[in-house]
Amino acid sequence: DTEVTQTPKHLVMGMTNKKSLKCEQHMGHRAMYWYKQKAKKPPELMFVYSYEKLSINESVPSRFSPECPNSSLLNLHLHALQPEDSALYLCASSQQRLDNEQFFGPGTRLTVL
Amino acid sequence: TQLLEQSPQFLSIQEGENLTVYCNSSSVFSSLQWYRQEPGEGPVLLVTVVTGGEVKKLKRLTFQFGDARKDSSLHITAAQPGDTGLYLCAGEGRDTGFQKLVFGTGTRLLVSP
Repeated sequence: DTEVTQTPKHLVMGMTNKKSLKCEQHMGHRAMYWYKQKAKKPPELMFVYSYEKLSINESVPSRFSPECPNSSLLNLHLHALQPEDSALYLCASSQQRLDNEQFFGPGTRLTVL
Repeated sequence: TQLLEQSPQFLSIQEGENLTVYCNSSSVFSSLQWYRQEPGEGPVLLVTVVTGGEVKKLKRLTFQFGDARKDSSLHITAAQPGDTGLYLCAGEGRDTGFQKLVFGTGTRLLVSP
């Protein structure tokens, strides 16, 4: 299995809602990532988990809360988001070796009303 | 800060034409990856280059890593409409460690029949 899956595919939420994005991989990768991508821009790194521990937080606002329940799963909890948070949220995983090949999921298209 | 500049930003060509996309930096990278992303989907890894001067071929796509490992190019021969997408280079930087990828600015390719 060489796939990273993400659910849901699309999500529409109000600014007062609480929702979660989910990501799963079964490649035995030890590093998992969350990226945010705005239209026509490259992905921007948000968080990195290494061996289930948060190793990088790119100064992301606290309304985004990551969680890594086990080595295969990664969640992103959303609360009190702003319309400017609307974007494609991508999950990726890697073997965490020197060439750092990252494998991306299909993304969740988030719209905040 | 390590930056990767891609050129051109946008390329619109006819089926059958050849093209080259460039990815340049003033920084040295330990490895460099090329991804293709279609609208609303996650980036798909095409190739990883590690050694300075390395050339890799993937069907009609030829990838080269610069001798000094500061730049890379992607050449497509006889482009087809299926090649349409956003092409992203991404480097693993010595300064950022192996957990972070520096993404290029992206090249949007449109191949018309």
